This record gives sequence, C-alpha cells and structure tokens, in this order.
Amino acid sequence: GAGVSQSPSNKVTEKGKDVELRCDPISGHTALYWYRQSLGQGLEFLIYFQGNSAPDKSGLPSDRFSAERTGGSVSTLTIQRTQQEDSAVYLCASSLEWGQHYGYTFGSGTRLTVV
Amino acid sequence: GDSVTQMEGPVTLSEEAFLTINCTYTATGYPSLFWYVQYPGEGLQLLLKATKADDKGSNKGFEATYRKETTSFHLEKGSVQVSDSAVYFCALSADSGYSTLTFGKGTMLLVSP
Repeated sequence: GAGVSQSPSNKVTEKGKDVELRCDPISGHTALYWYRQSLGQGLEFLIYFQGNSAPDKSGLPSDRFSAERTGGSVSTLTIQRTQQEDSAVYLCASSLEWGQHYGYTFGSGTRLTVV
Repeated sequence: GDSVTQMEGPVTLSEEAFLTINCTYTATGYPSLFWYVQYPGEGLQLLLKATKADDKGSNKGFEATYRKETTSFHLEKGSVQVSDSAVYFCALSADSGYSTLTFGKGTMLLVSP
C-alpha cells in the first residue's frame, strides 16, 4: 500500500480482555517495528521483525505481549489479559531494509484504552 | 545504553521567529541521527537525518548538523509558521548490533500568528 496501515485506529477494552492490533507495512518493506507511545514517556521500542523473524524480543514489557509477522508482510501485536498500564498509542513502522541509515515510515497508530 | 535527551516543551513562538530545539545523545561509535515530526492526530514523519559527523540534514526549511564533538543534533529553522506546530522527536540509530531507533521524549512546538 501507499503507507503503513494500522487497525483499529481506536480500541477500548475492559481490563483482563485480550486485544489484537494489526499493522500492514508498505509493500516491499522488509523491516517492521512496533513502538509504544505513552503520555510524557516518549516512544518505547517493543519489537522488530526482519522478514518474519524477530531477533530480539527483549523490549516487550511482559509475557502478556506477543507479536508475529507472516508472509513478510502483516504483523499482529497481541496483548493478553490487558491492564490499565497498557493504555497507550501503539505505533507500527516499516523500512525498506534493516540497517542503521534507514529512516522509518510510521503508521497513524492504534490508541488503546483499557478501562 | 544509548539515549537521547531533548529540551522539554512546550516551546511557544510567534510566527516568523527563529527556532532551536536542542538534542543531545549518548551512544558508542557513530550513530545515525534523525528528527521526526508528529502533527496533531497523525503518525510520525521523518523530517531529516544525518548519517555521519558534520553532515547537515535539511528539509522544509529545517536544518540540523551532526556534531560529534558535542554529541548534539540541534534542530533549527529561521522563520517558523503556524503550520509548524507539532511535536518534534530526536532519535538515533546505533552503528552496532541491531539498529532500531532510540527516541527522545519529544518537544512540543506551538506557533501563534
């Protein structure tokens, strides 16, 4: 597609429920990244994919968080048993290649509110 | 570990004023440096970047120079417009290991007519 697409744009869920966030990167972009943006906290790195592989999952806040990518394209971030502290904007980005000099193209994010 | 420090906002300016947003970093080796901008209700957009010392990134009238001696990458614009009101993020990408972006906390810029 023309840009990075994320869905849903907004999600309100009850504490304890599971949620699934979707990211559709730019066609042909091999690297995909998930960040979390909390008020006053800047952007927190969660995980990245090179193709379908995630070399480092240490940025995920807890074992309630998981992510996968299939077909080198769409990625889903799943949060199980959501807690109020999970409320944030979840941003996805992609880049043509993985490497130091490549800037990212970001989606508009999914605003998650846990009530 | 790698880190980026930005001046706290909001920065409030009148139209046509000169803008500087300070950014300093901590990283080993030779990171690449970036400025991203987030307009209200939108995602982050790459504004400019510099990949080696003394490089100057520029776009839309904004400039930033990679200063390794002071580990800085300050963002400047000679004459801001109301449409420049946004949150600006400084970021780095390390030159070792896997290269994901480390962001500062962002600086909000408010420009009034």
